[in-house]
Amino acid sequence: GENVEQHPSTLSVQEGDSAVIKCTYSDSASNYFPWYKQELGKRPQLIIDIRSNVGEKKDQRIAVTLNKTAKHFSLHITETQPEDSAVYFCAALRANNLFFGTGTRLTVIP
Amino acid sequence: GAGVSQSPRYKVAKRGQDVALRCDPISGHVSLFWYQQALGQGPEFLTYFQNEAQLDKSGLPSDRFFAERPEGSVSTLKIQRTQQEDSAVYLCASSFEPGANYEQYFGPGTRLTVT
Repeated sequence: GENVEQHPSTLSVQEGDSAVIKCTYSDSASNYFPWYKQELGKRPQLIIDIRSNVGEKKDQRIAVTLNKTAKHFSLHITETQPEDSAVYFCAALRANNLFFGTGTRLTVIP
Repeated sequence: GAGVSQSPRYKVAKRGQDVALRCDPISGHVSLFWYQQALGQGPEFLTYFQNEAQLDKSGLPSDRFFAERPEGSVSTLKIQRTQQEDSAVYLCASSFEPGANYEQYFGPGTRLTVT
């Protein structure tokens, strides 16, 4: 099956700085890569996704890049705000299964 | 409109008991997924329904786990003879489109604790 690794497991940044979270996947057939944000005790919510025919996608302060050759993708958050503090999960799709990474706990320090 | 809802939100079961977890997806959503999320981990796929058809159950950890969606709407995940390792949050997600390559809307989860 697919194996998704995510780094770092924890990340602290000053408010206004950028945050980068990286994921690798093992199955070259994976073709859809969403990122979910999960606040403490709440449900995961999609923040951005990218398909394998695109190398980069941006939505306001959030961007995702995909390198299919190296089989890795990254989440970039610019101008971080305290409300960005949460656990972020990357995922890779194989068949009908989304395989999630182990999560990154992002803390934005005011 | 209403999002995905799950019930109960919390369930405590004694080892060996059977439990049933309910998911009400967003109305009209074709796809429904069940995930198991252990503490500090990402969700792990259990099973996938397209309407009433269970197209993939490869993630169910044992034959004690059973899921159904008889009318293509509400789904129930049943765990028989619960074990301590079944303790986790069980998340349900639904999607308007068939397949998993579209946004999935998650429910709040059911936290199952097996004592």
